[in-house]
Amino acid sequence: DVKVTQSSRYLVKRTGEKVFLECVQDMDHENMFWYRQDPGLGLRLIYFSYDVKMKEKGDIPEGYSVSREKKERFSLILESASTNQTSMYLCASSPQGPIYGYTFGSGTRLTVV
Amino acid sequence: SQQGEEDPQALSIQEGENATMNCSYKTSINNLQWYRQNSGRGLVHLILIRSNEREKHSGRLRVTLDTSKKSSSLLITASRAADTASYFCATNGMRQLTFGSGTQLTVLP
Repeated sequence: DVKVTQSSRYLVKRTGEKVFLECVQDMDHENMFWYRQDPGLGLRLIYFSYDVKMKEKGDIPEGYSVSREKKERFSLILESASTNQTSMYLCASSPQGPIYGYTFGSGTRLTVV
Repeated sequence: SQQGEEDPQALSIQEGENATMNCSYKTSINNLQWYRQNSGRGLVHLILIRSNEREKHSGRLRVTLDTSKKSSSLLITASRAADTASYFCATNGMRQLTFGSGTQLTVLP
């Protein structure tokens, strides 16, 4: 069964900490994405990647960075966590091309205190 | 920027009834997709309809697309309590999907 795995389901971090959210897919997909989901705001795209070592900003990249050193792994980094980054974070992957759906991970609910 | 907007925001029906959700979008698309999300979980891809298609079926799901009106609808027939979830439309424009804010469907047993 194809899968996108996010390393943590729940995470609690302190303000100012550097936070790493990990995402691994086993489908050999070229594309990987990070979204955050907040009530009333839907899903908003943070960063995405179409290839190893390649990244592009989404709609809300401020306060975040990403790393894609290997095709199967896409990491989201909160350089200095703030309370307004408390959210559900969703990783997704898809094959190359515009006609494919995304496969999502189960999500990481991050709370910054 | 949100491209798709679902309507209604919330829908409550009895088991066995049909559920219809609508999605409107603003710019031209390559395709439109519908996803389902159970509470606190990731999204699951349900169905994709291309911009040159008007209707598509998958099991109890029926999706229509009207590119002249920039709208789509998702029909779930003979609903079950297990269909209770949030449903999102997503449009594929240039390079990535943009999601709407979702419809919360509750199916009462």
